[in-house]
Amino acid sequence: SQTIHQWPATLVQPVGSPLSLECTVEGTSNPNLYWYRQAAGRGLQLLFYSVGIGQISSEVPQNLSASRPQDRQFILSSKKLLLSDSGFYLCAWRPPGDRSSYEQYFGPGTRLTVT
Amino acid sequence: AQSVAQPEDQVNVAEGNPLTVKCTYSVSGNPYLFWYVQYPNRGLQFLLKYITGDNLVKGSYGFEAEFNKSQTSFHLKKPSALVSDSALYFCAFSSNTGKLIFGQGTTLQVKP
Repeated sequence: SQTIHQWPATLVQPVGSPLSLECTVEGTSNPNLYWYRQAAGRGLQLLFYSVGIGQISSEVPQNLSASRPQDRQFILSSKKLLLSDSGFYLCAWRPPGDRSSYEQYFGPGTRLTVT
Repeated sequence: AQSVAQPEDQVNVAEGNPLTVKCTYSVSGNPYLFWYVQYPNRGLQFLLKYITGDNLVKGSYGFEAEFNKSQTSFHLKKPSALVSDSALYFCAFSSNTGKLIFGQGTTLQVKP
């Protein structure tokens, strides 16, 4: 069966510091991978998605970047955090291909607080 | 623009009563619609989806949803609510590129 991991679970970082959040998926190959941010425990905003190694699409211009160095690894980064980067970050995967009928499966999330 | 809307920020029901969480969509073509649930400080869990076929879709934890094309709705339902059903519920549709577009979420509060 497939599992998705995120770490760290919680993170408190000062403004201006760098960020690296990691997401890994087990039990599948060539998944589509997604990064979302959830602010104030409400709506989800799609930040990045990837259909393969090194292929990153950005949905919203911002202070963050994403990379996919391995098939089942997705990393969210920032060089200098802003207060507005605080939130709950969720990684998700779905099977490969362009079948938009597939559901996405979410990781447990990372709670980021920028102070 | 294509979207889904959840008109209620919060729904309150008594345990044992039926519950409905509303979702309407504005999607061209044949919509692929999904429901997810989120417990506090957790990731989203997939409940059910409508792709095609029977308008009544059954999912996890006793939930079901009815696709209504004429009313462009996809309401989530459960015949008898449990306190443990209290959570944040999201409706979503899948764009033709496979991206999920979520509604703003509805908090369900089930009281004993």
